[in-house]
Amino acid sequence: AQTVTQSQPEMSVQEAETVTLSCTYDTSESDYYLFWYKQPPSRQMILVIRQEAYKQQNATENRFSVNFQKAAKSFSLKISDSQLGDAAMYFCAYRANISPDSNYQLIWGAGTKLIIKP
Amino acid sequence: NAGVTQTPKFRVLKTGQSMTLLCAQDMNHEYMYWYRQDPGMGLRLIHYSVGEGTTAKGEVPDGYNVSRLKKQNFLLGLESAAPSQTSVYFCASSPLGDEQFFGPGTRLTVL
Repeated sequence: AQTVTQSQPEMSVQEAETVTLSCTYDTSESDYYLFWYKQPPSRQMILVIRQEAYKQQNATENRFSVNFQKAAKSFSLKISDSQLGDAAMYFCAYRANISPDSNYQLIWGAGTKLIIKP
Repeated sequence: NAGVTQTPKFRVLKTGQSMTLLCAQDMNHEYMYWYRQDPGMGLRLIHYSVGEGTTAKGEVPDGYNVSRLKKQNFLLGLESAAPSQTSVYFCASSPLGDEQFFGPGTRLTVL
């Protein structure tokens, strides 16, 4: 069975600095998607970035980028120039790209709480 | 375009009471999901639907029932609430099963 592990329950970073959140996953599939979601104190889940496993190029979205290491099954999120508004829980999620076996279910990590120090 | 909405936002129940949570989406998405989120844990899938009239069990379905009579609505029912069902409940929808769009959540307390 697929699993997603976020080994850092909490991380803190100084405002304007860079922080990297870790995520590892276990799967025997070769085709899948990976996601990072953000959950601020408002509780709203917001998609930050996504990565298709067949793409070698790491995804980027403004200050957010990933380091996707397929062989190592690692999918870390780098946040550059951290801002106070980045403070949130960050969840890593995996989705196999095989239908209908997976029925497009997301497998979620337990989350990392990111604290931004002013 | 409201996205995904959930009703109610907060609810307090007594043990044994029943209630229904409503999720509505106006994006014409095929897939809909109900999750629960407990402190220190990620999201756990309760039930999901891959289209109107269909439902399926997720990781933690016991004590819950769902219905998807209309494509835009996905209802989550608690037949006899228990304190273990105290949680925050999230609904999500997805067009093709990849990116999921989430509602704001419902905080449920069972006394």
